Amino acid sequence: AQSVTQLDSQVPVFEEAPVELRCNYSSSVSVYLFWYVQYPNQGLQLLLKYLSGSTLVKGINGFEAEFNKSQTSFHLRKPSVHISDTAEYFCAVTRHWGATNKLIFGTGTLLAVQP
Amino acid sequence: EPEVTQTPSHQVTQMGQEVILRCVPISNHLYFYWYRQILGQKVEFLVSFYNNEISEKSEIFDDQFSVERPDGSNFTLKIRSTKLEDSAMYFCASSEGAFQGRGDQPQHFGDGTRLSIL
Repeated sequence: AQSVTQLDSQVPVFEEAPVELRCNYSSSVSVYLFWYVQYPNQGLQLLLKYLSGSTLVKGINGFEAEFNKSQTSFHLRKPSVHISDTAEYFCAVTRHWGATNKLIFGTGTLLAVQP
Repeated sequence: EPEVTQTPSHQVTQMGQEVILRCVPISNHLYFYWYRQILGQKVEFLVSFYNNEISEKSEIFDDQFSVERPDGSNFTLKIRSTKLEDSAMYFCASSEGAFQGRGDQPQHFGDGTRLSIL
């Protein structure tokens, strides 16, 4: 079975400061990794994904994430945040192969950007 | 950009009543999903659907739940006799994937239906 841990339920940060949202996963099989963002009263929007290749992946809105296999981590970073980045961020995994590619989500991290 | 649409955005229902949540997935997608998010909790997988049948379901998806693709464009989730604990945001998602079982196709989510059981 797979599981995802997001240790920080909330991360307050000032505008234009850098931020890192942490994600660790556990799986006995190979997985793909994703970050989704949920703005208030909206659905989940894909930020970025790691499938294979370079461990540093870039996504939309200036976000990037680094896959670290030895530490089973996939932390999300942004060098300078904006007020508009305030949202809930979810890390998720899915198996490489299976009957279905259901997503297993972490509990989410609320990024609260303050002016 | 094509998107997944869900209706209604908010559904209020009396406990014990049947409810149907509707979704229109992206037109060329082959895999369809329902997830739910109870207030303050994480997003949980309910069921996946491919080739007109359920490919996987979670332990949450008991006999009270059913899914259907009635007309080739809509994808519905029905709860037969709602309970208070069914109150949640329900998300529909769809993905490409001409090759069954491969997990690298990202899922595209709708904005959700907030279901409130009174």
